[in-house]
Amino acid sequence: GAGVSQSPRYKVAKRGQDVALRCDPISGHVSLFWYQQALGQGPEFLTYFQNEAQLDKSGLPSDRFFAERPEGSVSTLKIQRTQQEDSAVYLCASSFTSGTAHEQYFGPGTRLTVT
Amino acid sequence: AQKVTQAQTEISVVEKEDVTLDCVYETRDTTYYLFWYKQPPSGELVFLIRRNSFDEQNEISGRYSWNFQKSTSSFNFTITASQVVDSAVYFCALSEGDSGTYKYIFGTGTRLKVLA
Repeated sequence: GAGVSQSPRYKVAKRGQDVALRCDPISGHVSLFWYQQALGQGPEFLTYFQNEAQLDKSGLPSDRFFAERPEGSVSTLKIQRTQQEDSAVYLCASSFTSGTAHEQYFGPGTRLTVT
Repeated sequence: AQKVTQAQTEISVVEKEDVTLDCVYETRDTTYYLFWYKQPPSGELVFLIRRNSFDEQNEISGRYSWNFQKSTSSFNFTITASQVVDSAVYFCALSEGDSGTYKYIFGTGTRLKVLA
């Protein structure tokens, strides 16, 4: 079946612009995660959804970052008033269930460049 | 505090050599899970293995093998007879049972270059 897809794959934003990044998880996957990967670093957790409920947003770096998953499938990560330090690859991952650490399946990421 | 350390930033080997990638983790939980992922140049993280804290058996899958040792908090990954297609960045990750979310804590990755 189809894997996790993300769009756009690349986004260039001018400082101060708002951006929206989309994630389509694997169909039927309950858990959805967003990670931020800076150049040369490992991914860092941003937020977690179990179905439509956002159960953990402890990794969001500021109140400019907002995520939603209103129907428990597609998720959107929104960044308001982008700053240069927001430049990174944003990875979405989904997992079949919650309640244990099943493997997460990752999308190809959205590379955000803020100029 | 939870942490994953991959001390080897970059390793270069010649094809057919064996190579071991090190991973050391820190956690206070008694229930936790460890993972290895491969990130080829295309960028997409590919799942390789999952291991829980109660299962210290080593595992072999083709040319890949993993050595989990709770006594040293290590979960090392060995590639036997490396091939050029193994060139990638490899990440070790920790997921804690008490977190509730089972989010991953990643190491900084090891870049493996296999030369023909």
